[in-house]
Parts: sequence; structure tokens; C-alpha cells
Amino acid sequence: AQTVTQSQPEMSVQEAETVTLSCTYDTSESDYYLFWYKQPPSRQMILVIRQEAYKQQNATENRFSVNFQKAAKSFSLKISDSQLGDAAMYFCAYIAGANSKLTFGKGITLSVRP
Amino acid sequence: DGGITQSPKYLFRKEGQNVTLSCEQNLNHDAMYWYRQDPGQGLRLIYYSQIVNDFQKGDIAEGYSVSREKKESFPLTVTSAQKNPTAFYLCASRTGRWFYGYTFGSGTRLTVV
Repeated sequence: AQTVTQSQPEMSVQEAETVTLSCTYDTSESDYYLFWYKQPPSRQMILVIRQEAYKQQNATENRFSVNFQKAAKSFSLKISDSQLGDAAMYFCAYIAGANSKLTFGKGITLSVRP
Repeated sequence: DGGITQSPKYLFRKEGQNVTLSCEQNLNHDAMYWYRQDPGQGLRLIYYSQIVNDFQKGDIAEGYSVSREKKESFPLTVTSAQKNPTAFYLCASRTGRWFYGYTFGSGTRLTVV
């Protein structure tokens, strides 16, 4: 069974600094996608970024980028120039195929210090 | 605007009562999902449906039931058999392009007293 592990329950970053959130996963599939979702205090889940396993190039979306290490099954999220609005819970997630279901890690709570 | 509507946002029930959480989408998505979120547990899949009149159990289906009579609607009933029903419940849906991930509703916080 696929598993997604986020081992750090909480992290803190100073405003304008860079922070990296870690995620590892376990799978026997070769074709899959990885996601980072953000859940702010409103609790609305927002897709931040996604990565296709077959693409070697790391995905980027403005201040958000990933470090995808396929062999190590690692998928970390880097947030540059952190802003107060980045404070939220972040979930790493995995899916492989139309019949698969999105599997989530336990999440990490990120706080941003002004 | 298209989206997923979950209602109500907060729900209180007495222990032993069944309660139904609503999930409606106007995105024309075929697949719909129910997740439960508890502190420190992440999101865990309760039930899912990939087509009308068909649904499957997820990882934690005991004490829950669902129906999918219409494409737009996927209500979740929390029965009295669910031992610890107090939680935050999220409904989601997706298109056939599964690799784009899911769209989520804003959730329902259920408190059983």
C-alpha cells in the first residue's frame, strides 16, 4: 500500500525567509503524481503545486518549488520569501492512476513570525 | 462559479443520533470522495464514488454510509455505530483527469455531545 510520511508536525519561519517542508512516500508504481495542498485557518484545501513522477524537472509556482528525488522517494516543498499568509497546515499527497485515491500525509503546521 | 458546497459548516448532534452531511458539486465531476480530518491524523478516506449509483468503502468506512443517486450529490450519513464521530469532514471531487488532483469543499465540523 502507498504511504505518505510527513515526520515534522510543526515548523516556524521568519517572514521573508525560506523554509523547506519534508515529505517521503512509498510506492511500487512507476507512474504517479505528487501534490502539496495548503489548508489555511479557513480550512479550505488549496492546491499549491503538483509534480509528475516522469518529469525530472522540479515543479515551481511563483514562490513555491519542490525538490523531487524519485530514487529517494522524497518530495519536499520550498517556500521562498515567506509571507504571513503562508501560515497554514500543509499536506503532501500522492496518487497513481484513475482507480487510485489521493493519499495524504499527516500534515505539517507552518507558522510565520513577523 | 463552479465548486463544491458542503452544508452546514457546523453541526451538533446528540450521541446516538444519525446525522447526514451534505455535499453538492456543479463541476460535472464524475468522482466524489469523503475524507475525515482529525488533529495529527491527516485526511483519511471514508467512502468514494466514481459513478452514479456506485460507491466503495475507503480506509475508515465503519459507522458511515453514503448514497450517489445523482451525479451532483454525495451525502454522507454518520450513524450511531460510529464510535468517535466528532471530526472535520471534507468532501472532494475530480474530473477524469485524475492527475490534476481533487477539488475540495469547505468542510463540515461535526460535534457529537
